[in-house]
Amino acid sequence: EAQVTQNPRYLITVTGKKLTVTCSQNMNHEYMSWYRQDPGLGLRQIYYSMNVEVTDKGDVPEGYKVSRKEKRNFPLILESPSPNQTSLYFCASLGTSGGGRTDTQYFGPGTRLTVL
Amino acid sequence: AQTVTQSQPEMSVQEAETVTLSCTYDTSESDYYLFWYKQPPSRQMILVIRQEAYKQQNATENRFSVNFQKAAKSFSLKISDSQLGDAAMYFCAYRRSYTSGTYKYIFGTGTRLKVLA
Repeated sequence: EAQVTQNPRYLITVTGKKLTVTCSQNMNHEYMSWYRQDPGLGLRQIYYSMNVEVTDKGDVPEGYKVSRKEKRNFPLILESPSPNQTSLYFCASLGTSGGGRTDTQYFGPGTRLTVL
Repeated sequence: AQTVTQSQPEMSVQEAETVTLSCTYDTSESDYYLFWYKQPPSRQMILVIRQEAYKQQNATENRFSVNFQKAAKSFSLKISDSQLGDAAMYFCAYRRSYTSGTYKYIFGTGTRLKVLA
């Protein structure tokens, strides 16, 4: 079954304690992305990756790091979390066919993060 | 920079009736994609429908259809014969063409749809 998995699904942590949210996809997709969702703000892109070792900033990258060492994995790292990073996080991957005309973005189930 | 605007934070519709959700966007590009995503209480993001800007024909998927007005930069979603299962948050999204070399998505702030029995 084609899917994007995220772990953990729920996390409560304290300010300053480094954490990693993992993301993995089994569809051999080149493109992966991280979003955060906040009430009234919709989804905002944090980072995205066009392929292995290729990453770029989205609209809200401050306070986050990513790496893409393998095609299937795209972890999101919060080196020193702060309360304003409390949010719902989504990982997504995108596969292409037909020159990009028929591509579809698949989303993971989301990670609810609370930083106290 | 591209922007996506959903001006209706919340809407209600009676079961079996038709409702239209609005979305406007701003871009200087001529080739791009537009999407509507549904997010039910489970929080899962579900693709409802997509429109390619180079296509003049409006996309349809069963009870869901769009009214794509390229010149006006408008992309509304029409849900016909509304069902209780349609109750969700709906997000409009924009993406540049594949030829731009990036898959960056821009989402609107969402419209919460309530379906009344």
